[in-house]
Amino acid sequence: QSALTQPASVSGSPGQSITISCTGTSSDVGTYDLVSWYQQHPGKAPKLMIYEGRKRPSGVSNRFSGSKSGNTASLTISGLQAEDEADYYCCSYAGSSNPYVFGAGTKVTVL
Amino acid sequence: EVQVVESGGGVVQPGGSLRLSCAASGFTFSRSWMNWVRQAPGKGLVWVSRINNDGSSTRYADSVKGRLTISRDNAKNTLYLQMNTLRGEDTAVYYCVRENLDYYAMDVWGQGTTVTVSS
Repeated sequence: QSALTQPASVSGSPGQSITISCTGTSSDVGTYDLVSWYQQHPGKAPKLMIYEGRKRPSGVSNRFSGSKSGNTASLTISGLQAEDEADYYCCSYAGSSNPYVFGAGTKVTVL
Repeated sequence: EVQVVESGGGVVQPGGSLRLSCAASGFTFSRSWMNWVRQAPGKGLVWVSRINNDGSSTRYADSVKGRLTISRDNAKNTLYLQMNTLRGEDTAVYYCVRENLDYYAMDVWGQGTTVTVSS
């Protein structure tokens, strides 16, 4: 089971919008509407930001949004803020045998 | 407060063993499916293992199958990861994670415990 494909880095200026892509296969992202996104600041534990591809847990800013098309999911951060600078990981459910596959992560830099 | 707290990490020689523990509180542990996720130094997150709520079903990543064993004690609200025949590539921070079955995402993460395999 290969890792999902994410860009290594994405950057943007404060106030701008950025989008992180996450490409999988027909065995994971393409089959299940169960992509989640996690934010991880250096030295900290990951935090759930998006589940079921587009839903936000309570307390997560509505500046974070998700979508999916075919085998590719995306995370968009609008109104970029300094505190958004972190690593972001996508994750897809992939069936009961090997249930989860993560992306390699994307480092977001706020210029 | 809903939380999980890992312990048991340390330095171990190649071929050695270690047992990680994860103490859960603030939620009904016995109804929760749990996972271990690891992160090698400077690398990304990798799913390692999953156990259902009563321990009757377990799953493992191919890279750890036969060497790592996940288990739980619901009476003690504790999750375990027995790690045997450890290799250098097992060096990582190990996170204990609650899986939310309503939407198949990992919604509660511990702070992690570090395992270093080195001679």
